[in-house]
Amino acid sequence: QVQLVQSGAEVKRPGSSVKISCKTSGDTFSSYTVTWVRQAPGQGPEWMGRIIPMVDVVEYGKRFQGRVTITADKSTSTVYMELTSLRSDDTAVYYCGRGPQGGGSGSYYLEFWGQGTLVTVSS
Amino acid sequence: SRELTQPPSVSVSPGQTASITCSGDDLGYKYVSWYLQKAGQSPVLVMYQDSKRPSGIPERFSASSSGNTATLTIAGTQVLDEADYYCQGWDRSDVVFGGGTKLTVL
Repeated sequence: QVQLVQSGAEVKRPGSSVKISCKTSGDTFSSYTVTWVRQAPGQGPEWMGRIIPMVDVVEYGKRFQGRVTITADKSTSTVYMELTSLRSDDTAVYYCGRGPQGGGSGSYYLEFWGQGTLVTVSS
Repeated sequence: SRELTQPPSVSVSPGQTASITCSGDDLGYKYVSWYLQKAGQSPVLVMYQDSKRPSGIPERFSASSSGNTATLTIAGTQVLDEADYYCQGWDRSDVVFGGGTKLTVL
């Protein structure tokens, strides 16, 4: 059974950074895509980026390029997402999700989701 | 940020067919996925690669994509299908989601 367990809620000051973890279990970690998506209150999701740990390929959404870094630790089957220069409009629930094996244009869907991590940015 | 266009709300009576559309200028070039989300929960994948259904999703869910519009169809809608529905696709070489459609079954 595939499970994605995320780290707990965070409260951050504007201008600081946040790093969230997503530990996966139940399948061969490195061959699957792991994606980060965020959802502000009352809004639709936003695609932040994804990683394919087996080949260390990372892609970022245009809106987040330069501010987000996604990494993977294959030894612990954990993926991390760090967002810098936080602003109040970064307040959202951040989700990790696992997609299919490999890359390609048909591999951007998220088949399994973590429970979400609330990040609140406030002075 | 850019997002795909969905109707804010759709209402349907139990047992009827619900259709939710998703449109975008670049939608027809790559695959579309659909998710449902109930209040306070993580999204759930209900359709992927335009028209494929994940295991565990009822057969009453189907989807299609033609030109710049994709459509999620729920046949014989049940009260438990009430949720927010989001499409996921592409816009200008970026992965984007729709703004969401609240499906009400009453």
